[in-house]
Amino acid sequence: DAGVTQSPTHLIKTRGQQVTLRCSPKSGHDTVSWYQQALGQGPQFIFQYYEEEERQRGNFPDRFSGHQFPNYSSELNVNALLLGDSALYLCASIGQGSEMGYTFGSGTRLTVV
Amino acid sequence: QKEVEQNSGPLSVPEGAIASLNCTYSDRGSQSFFWYRQYSGKSPELIMFIYSNGDKEDGRFTAQLNKASQYVSLLIRDSQPSDSATYLCAVLRLRGYQKVTFGTGTKLQVIP
Repeated sequence: DAGVTQSPTHLIKTRGQQVTLRCSPKSGHDTVSWYQQALGQGPQFIFQYYEEEERQRGNFPDRFSGHQFPNYSSELNVNALLLGDSALYLCASIGQGSEMGYTFGSGTRLTVV
Repeated sequence: QKEVEQNSGPLSVPEGAIASLNCTYSDRGSQSFFWYRQYSGKSPELIMFIYSNGDKEDGRFTAQLNKASQYVSLLIRDSQPSDSATYLCAVLRLRGYQKVTFGTGTKLQVIP
């Protein structure tokens, strides 16, 4: 049973560029959340997708956008990259009614130079 | 007030001792509580979850929940150097959607 898979694992981008990160949820999970984790910080919630719609959003600018596909996989897009966007981006999935919390992917380490 | 608060540490304990990690939360409607372990540069790994008041034991780990005090803790018995990591407390509230909020984590160092 595959867990949450994310790609790519590492990425280096130049300030001002755009980036797309990808996530496939754990089998049986239909809800995907994205988190940004800066060095030494806890994960910060970006947004959550369910039924191909964004149903909750954290305190992130519109430069951060996302999408969920019919197979529940998801993308995170960041436009006009800033140096401060450098972080570990985590995708997490959860099934409906689950009290067992999120399953996390291994993350994408984004470095903006 | 932060939704989920943890002491950032580091918490240093000698090998074989009991490590006690604490977390408080502000939302009384929170329903489930999780402890994740995160090694440096890696993604969080779920180690315990609890949703009823009292204690829940799993091997060397015990989670404790007190909803009246809005307090959840994690005890690690017989601490090992391999337990050295950051421990994240997370709280779930179902309000039409699942909202999971994380604390900033407590760094644990187990000294051989």
